[in-house]
Parts: sequence; C-alpha cells; structure tokens
Amino acid sequence: NAGVTQTPKFQVLKTGQSMTLQCAQDMNHNSMYWYRQDPGMGLRLIYYSASEGTTDKGEVPNGYNVSRLNKREFSLRLESAAPSQTSVYFCASSQRENTEAFFGQGTRLTVV
Amino acid sequence: QKEVEQDPGPLSVPEGAIVSLNCTYSNSAFQYFMWYRQYSRKGPELLMYTYSSGNKEDGRFTAQVDKSSKYISLFIRDSQPSDSATYLCAMWGTNAGKSTFGDGTTLTVKP
Repeated sequence: NAGVTQTPKFQVLKTGQSMTLQCAQDMNHNSMYWYRQDPGMGLRLIYYSASEGTTDKGEVPNGYNVSRLNKREFSLRLESAAPSQTSVYFCASSQRENTEAFFGQGTRLTVV
Repeated sequence: QKEVEQDPGPLSVPEGAIVSLNCTYSNSAFQYFMWYRQYSRKGPELLMYTYSSGNKEDGRFTAQVDKSSKYISLFIRDSQPSDSATYLCAMWGTNAGKSTFGDGTTLTVKP
C-alpha cells in the first residue's frame, strides 16, 4: 500500500514564486494535515482538514492556503514564497481527528 | 513556555543499553499520549499510543504516563543500532485542540 504520497520530494523556489504541494492518501481516512518541521522546532501544524469539505488553520497558517480536493487529496499552496518558508513539509492523515496519524515522506523546500 | 517540553538530546548510548526518553507537559487536558519514531529523511511513524496514566509494553518498548506529574517516558530495552532515530512525543485531549508535538530527541545507538 502506498499510504500517504507527497509530491514533489524536493523543490527550490525563488522568493516570490508560487507552488502547490500535493498530498494523496489511499487509506480512506477522514482527516488530513499539513505540518512543517524545522530544526529544533519539532512539527508545527499549518492547516488541517477534519473531514472532506472542511479546512481549519493550525498553529502557523500565515503565507499558506489549502484545498481539500476530495477525500483522498489535500494540497498546500504557497502564493508568494519567502525564505522563512524553507522547511520540510509533511502531509499526514488519520481515520478521525487526533487518532493515529500516518505521515508522508516529506517535501524538502528551499526558498532562495 | 511550550505546552510540551521534550528532553533535547542528542543521546548516544552503546548497543544493549536501556534508553529513557522523556516529555513533560503543562496542559492537564491532555489525555492521549503518543510516541513517534522518525528515521533520517523520513516521515514520523507511530510507535506507541497510550491513554491516561500507567504503562504499556510492546516488545522492547515501554510507554509510561504519569498524569499527576504531567510526565511521560518511553523506555527502550536492549537498544539496537536500528533504534537510532529521532523520537517525538505527541499528546492531545478532547478539550485540548489538535495534537501537540514535542521537538524530538535524537538517539544514536553505537554498535
């Protein structure tokens, strides 16, 4: 089983460029999440979707937007990338909110 | 002050040692406690999931929760080089919003 699949795995952007990180899960999970992980700061929640058709802000939503396209897919968009958004981004899904989360392999994003 | 504080590490131990990884928290509404393991350049994977106080054992791993002290631990017995990873604690409660993660402790087990 693929589990949670993120694309791309690596990306370099110039300041001001936009891009969308894609995430898809094949476990029929209801809830999906986007986190960023920075050295010494653990995992910080950007946005989450408790169920299809709903999205909510997490701890660090500024500069990001999300779309829950359907039950399987949850995308994260950076409209105007900034160097402060250089990070590793993880998508995760769970059967319900706050139950066991399954993570993707991550996207390493560098903004120069 | 962070809601969840995790021993920062890094931690380096010889193979076969007993390892103790610890987190403290301040929000008394946390009820569910998790430990994730993250190998280098991989996503976290759930290792242990416990509810309320007490111990839970799974093979060489034991998760311990002391709600009165707001303290949780993960013990690894007979540690192996394959246990080398970053360990993240996480917790949540029905009245405590989304899951909150610790910053992680990096463990190296030397052969």
